[in-house]
Amino acid sequence: AQKITQTQPGMFVQEKEAVTLDCTYDTSDQSYGLFWYKQPSSGEMIFLIYQGSYDEQNATEGRYSLNFQKARKSTNLVISASQLGDSAMYFCAMRGSGGYNKLIFGAGTRLAVHP
Amino acid sequence: ETGVTQTPRHLVMGMTNKKSLKCEQHLGHNAMYWYKQSAKKPLELMFVYSLEERVENNSVPSRFSPECPNSSHLFLHLHTLQPEDSALYLCASSQESLIAYEQYFGPGTRLTVT
Repeated sequence: AQKITQTQPGMFVQEKEAVTLDCTYDTSDQSYGLFWYKQPSSGEMIFLIYQGSYDEQNATEGRYSLNFQKARKSTNLVISASQLGDSAMYFCAMRGSGGYNKLIFGAGTRLAVHP
Repeated sequence: ETGVTQTPRHLVMGMTNKKSLKCEQHLGHNAMYWYKQSAKKPLELMFVYSLEERVENNSVPSRFSPECPNSSHLFLHLHTLQPEDSALYLCASSQESLIAYEQYFGPGTRLTVT
């Protein structure tokens, strides 16, 4: 069975500093995709960044980057230069088995950015 | 309208009521999803529609009934709900492919069952 684990229920960081949110996954598939989403208090899930299992380089999107360690089955999200607007829930997700984009989500990490 | 929209944003209903949640995507995608997000639980996939056909029903009780009349619209019909069905219901869409594409989510409907 596929599973996503986020072990940090809550994190806080000082504004302008970097923070790493952890995510480990379990799958027997050779080909899979890993996603990170942000959910502000408004409720909408906002796509942040994607890493494919065959991508050799770590994905980056602006201030977001992934530390993808395939052998360890981990894909940690790094947010650089934190901003107050980064305060939200962050979810790691994996595309599950099957011919369609079924996503399996972790429990999430609540990030608080302090001024 | 752009992206994925959901109506209503908030809904309070009694256990004997019948209501429907509506989702519309303006992205030209061919797959749509319903998720349930309860407090202190991971996001749960409820239903998947691909090319307007239901391809997954994740053991959801029959009091939830989805409908996908076309690739842009998705409904979730609700009847005789229980208080534990109170949650945020999120709709998403994506382009189905062998390549993993991100799903785009709507703002959700906050449902309270009294």
